[in-house]
Amino acid sequence: ETGVTQTPRHLVMGMTNKKSLKCEQHLGHNAMYWYKQSAKKPLELMFVYNFKEQTENNSVPSRFSPECPNSSHLFLHLHTLQPEDSALYLCASSPSQAGTNGELFFGEGSRLTVL
Amino acid sequence: ILNVEQSPQSLHVQEGDSTNFTCSFPSSNFYALHWYRWETAKSPEALFVMTLNGDEKKKGRISATLNTKEGYSYLYIKGSQPEDSATYLCALRGGSNYKLTFGKGTLLTVNP
Repeated sequence: ETGVTQTPRHLVMGMTNKKSLKCEQHLGHNAMYWYKQSAKKPLELMFVYNFKEQTENNSVPSRFSPECPNSSHLFLHLHTLQPEDSALYLCASSPSQAGTNGELFFGEGSRLTVL
Repeated sequence: ILNVEQSPQSLHVQEGDSTNFTCSFPSSNFYALHWYRWETAKSPEALFVMTLNGDEKKKGRISATLNTKEGYSYLYIKGSQPEDSATYLCALRGGSNYKLTFGKGTLLTVNP
């Protein structure tokens, strides 16, 4: 139990669906992250929020829309996805975006399949 | 874009063997090097965060070294156990925006 909870753990959606991934952290952290893990690729950073403000958008297509209503919650809204968007989406948090240690605390991920 | 390379991609060892793997990274604009352990169906878990050249850290049977001048870090596991089976990720915090860039990982399988 890392203190970062992601729901749902598995999601299957059609290309015309709208769905959302949710991440919640109970660690009192101020930075939250979305990463994408595709097969045979390294973890790719998608978005970073620091104190509820988006500080990083790693050229992510607009069909992925993040939302961070407070420092404990992070959403990834999904709309008109493509089959190549099928991947494991990992949420992480850290005390703040920068900092000497800055180790990330990860959730277990949401496995997304786009049909 | 920072290039973080890990080798080997995968490794099979027998229980009791000691093993090590490598993380290579560009040595310029170095800030920190992270190691994570990722068991199947679980979340990646931080092992070490290393910042100083020559640093050596240890947690039980696992240790890591860091050479920031030549751009590499080694992870060592002494007396591997089946529960050590996991993917070991390294990640570099560096560059102009201090973003964390991950390698593809080394998948370790320890056979009983």
